[in-house]
Amino acid sequence: GESVGLHLPTLSVQEGDNSIINCAYSNSASDYFIWYKQESGKGPQFIIDIRSNMDKRQGQRVTVLLNKTVKHLSLQIAATQPGDSAVYFCAEKDPGTYKYIFGTGTRLKVLA
Amino acid sequence: SAVISQKPSRDICQRGTSLTIQCQVDSQVTMMFWYRQQPGQSLTLIATANQGSEATYESGFVIDKFPISRPNLTFSTLTVSNMSPEDSSIYLCSVQGTGEQFFGPGTRLTVL
Repeated sequence: GESVGLHLPTLSVQEGDNSIINCAYSNSASDYFIWYKQESGKGPQFIIDIRSNMDKRQGQRVTVLLNKTVKHLSLQIAATQPGDSAVYFCAEKDPGTYKYIFGTGTRLKVLA
Repeated sequence: SAVISQKPSRDICQRGTSLTIQCQVDSQVTMMFWYRQQPGQSLTLIATANQGSEATYESGFVIDKFPISRPNLTFSTLTVSNMSPEDSSIYLCSVQGTGEQFFGPGTRLTVL
């Protein structure tokens, strides 16, 4: 079937290695950010979020880092597994609204 | 979190026809959103659908092309009117949670 993210940048990592997915955001006033995971044939799934008053937030096997100085967001996945293969999107909340602006996305391929 | 379902999950349509996509949520929510995801691309917000008021459309999207209904707090529809092949996309509904947005599984539309 049709796949999401056919033309997206791709990151290939070996199973068990750590993955780092990067995202640049546009608005220095944005105060809330989310990482989503989208598997083929599914809608985006919430992974982790971070508010602008934090630099780092950890979840289960995932860490999000926020660098407000250069408007950069990263998602780190520890001990990457085959089930992590998907397209990952960052999203920044438009300040004062409930609208989210999504990044271009990165396809993560986990090699066995 | 909210559980969101969409109907149909996919469809193949002839140009010039219209398709109505349904979005059902398992709980009452104030804010619902409709997104488009063109092949190989990220998510773009079409409109915000609030119960009791007209939908608010983003730049580049108009009501005549994408009429939206929001009859109650658990249901919304998006119609893609007078379709052309350029409308071939995944259409996603989402709802606003306490922080993040939750997404439905999407409707894959192919227009011939």
